[in-house]
Amino acid sequence: DVQVVESGGGLVKPGGSLRLSCATSGFTFTSFTMNWVRQAPGKGLEWVSSVVSGGTHTYYADSVKGRFTISRDNAKNSLYLQMENLRAEDTAVYYCARSWVAAFDFWGQGTMVAVSS
Amino acid sequence: DIVLTQSPDTLSLSPGERATLSCRASQGVSSSYLAWYQQKPGQAPRLLIYGTSNRATGTPDRFSGSGSGTDFTLTITRLEPEDFAVYLCQQYGGSRWTFGQGTKVEVK
Repeated sequence: DVQVVESGGGLVKPGGSLRLSCATSGFTFTSFTMNWVRQAPGKGLEWVSSVVSGGTHTYYADSVKGRFTISRDNAKNSLYLQMENLRAEDTAVYYCARSWVAAFDFWGQGTMVAVSS
Repeated sequence: DIVLTQSPDTLSLSPGERATLSCRASQGVSSSYLAWYQQKPGQAPRLLIYGTSNRATGTPDRFSGSGSGTDFTLTITRLEPEDFAVYLCQQYGGSRWTFGQGTKVEVK
């Protein structure tokens, strides 16, 4: 079975940093683009970032470009999101999701990031 | 970025009734790149439909998708108790994804 498990969320002060991790199993990790999608409390979904299967190309939403860095370790079947200079508006549940035919077919349970002084 | 607008915001229906949800794009979307998700409180979204009309694995056949260009529709032919949830459309283009704001299907 496909498993996607996020970790690393928590409470951080504005301007602080946090690194999210996503551990996967049950599929050929190296064959898929992987993504981060977030959902602010009571709000809709926002795509954050993607990294292609080989890790050579990354993409970011304008709202996080220059502050967040996505990466992957194909040897560990893991995805990461390094978040810098965090703002209150980054407060959200962050989901790790696999892309397939331009949709997100498997999601983790999410990890909560709260940015507050 | 392409903006997706869903309507209505809330749909109040009874079990057994038909639900028709709309997703309108600010510019044309490839039919291959339009998907629908179901989300229940406290849970991650679940992919229902991809490529406008293809049911994902495990999606019951009472769910169907249609549309093209800028207008897309998710239809649930007969609502079951477990179908009351929020439904979101999503498009892909230019190496980025956007989501609609969601339609809540609630029990009347």
